[in-house]
Amino acid sequence: DQQVKQNSPSLSVQEGRISILNCDYTNSMFDYFLWYKKYPAEGPTFLISISSIKDKNEDGRFTVFLNKSAKHLSLHIVPSQPGDSAVYFCAASGGSNYKLTFGKGTLLTVNP
Amino acid sequence: DGGITQSPKYLFRKEGQNVTLSCEQNLNHDAMYWYRQDPGQGLRLIYYSQIVNDFQKGDIAEGYSVSREKKESFPLTVTSAQKNPTAFYLCASSIPGTSYNEQFFGPGTRLTVL
Repeated sequence: DQQVKQNSPSLSVQEGRISILNCDYTNSMFDYFLWYKKYPAEGPTFLISISSIKDKNEDGRFTVFLNKSAKHLSLHIVPSQPGDSAVYFCAASGGSNYKLTFGKGTLLTVNP
Repeated sequence: DGGITQSPKYLFRKEGQNVTLSCEQNLNHDAMYWYRQDPGQGLRLIYYSQIVNDFQKGDIAEGYSVSREKKESFPLTVTSAQKNPTAFYLCASSIPGTSYNEQFFGPGTRLTVL
């Protein structure tokens, strides 16, 4: 049973345009959400996070939006740059054990 | 520089052999984790430890074992009981009990069983 779903395996956008990566979750106990960026053969690096008490968090070109009623979050990258090309993982945590549950990832390709 | 190291980067073993993957961190984090990544899959949790001398099974612990004798070290043994051991293995650490659970990852070890 997949509790965190990233339904788009891949996304391609032009440099300078907006990239929107989506993530859905099913577990109502999740109260913290994170996005990680991963290059091939490397470990993921933390990008941005959001608590369930907020509906938006912004950090430079990256903004995460949370819609709790829809159990949906999205990552917006504006403007997209070729160096943003990577796999993006959505992750969620909740409850007392601090485990992270990851989605399967979305491969973002930003074309020059 | 603080960080997480995993060695080696690439590891080859024959089928039926046990192999131990190293993970060391100097971030002074209490919690450490082992994940496995397969092509087209997310990161799946194998084992985690929130404190020295204590660890819990994750979602796919069968065929794996761990130890946590020191705060800095969390080695993972892939045993011959693991049916599909070829994968990319990632170690992570974090500070448990914080308002969020940002985990810091090592560079990973690619294990290939021949």
